[in-house]
Amino acid sequence: LAKTTQPISMDSYEGQEVNITCSHNNIATNDYITWYQQFPSQGPRFIIQGYKTKVTNEVASLFIPADRKSSTLSLPRVSLSDTAVYYCLVGDRSGGYQKVTFGTGTKLQVIP
Amino acid sequence: GAVVSQHPSRVICKSGTSVKIECRSLDFQATTMFWYRQFPKQSLMLMATSNEGSKATYEQGVEKDKFLINHASLTLSTLTVTSAHPEDSSFYICSASRSGLARETQYFGPGTRLLVL
Repeated sequence: LAKTTQPISMDSYEGQEVNITCSHNNIATNDYITWYQQFPSQGPRFIIQGYKTKVTNEVASLFIPADRKSSTLSLPRVSLSDTAVYYCLVGDRSGGYQKVTFGTGTKLQVIP
Repeated sequence: GAVVSQHPSRVICKSGTSVKIECRSLDFQATTMFWYRQFPKQSLMLMATSNEGSKATYEQGVEKDKFLINHASLTLSTLTVTSAHPEDSSFYICSASRSGLARETQYFGPGTRLLVL
């Protein structure tokens, strides 16, 4: 079961780019990397998913090096509403279907 | 698209009673649904995985007779907390996946806050 390690917390000023790195040294060949955002008392919200290299969507970019042992979520020009906990997950196929384990997540605090 | 709802959003019950929480995928069919529990200031912990029409697979340490899971259709899964006790008070979150395969995105419900008095 691939385990992820992220910084517990980060602070950033509004308007800056934020990069959150996640380590997953034991990632398996077929595992995908997914990032979720969670606000207090809400369910996690999908941000982005990737397998290798770079993926970009309307809210974030995901950078994955060739060895796939880490990944970096990049949030451009954060605003106060981006204050949340960000989770990096690595899928683990068990019993024929997906099972993921949530790590501690990174609590991002955006400062005015 | 890919909306998951939960009902109720919050519930307060007396110790010893049972509580049922519903998880619905509103605009897609979910082969696999997952149930998580989250205590304050902690991460989500997977409780069980259920495939439509099959028995749920519980994580180690989760009592299957206490947390009954029914995934009777491709759009509905229920979690029943039987004989609830104060230590069962938590935030329960479900997620749904179309195929359950590793690449498939999980879509999460808004969560249900359970308080057992």
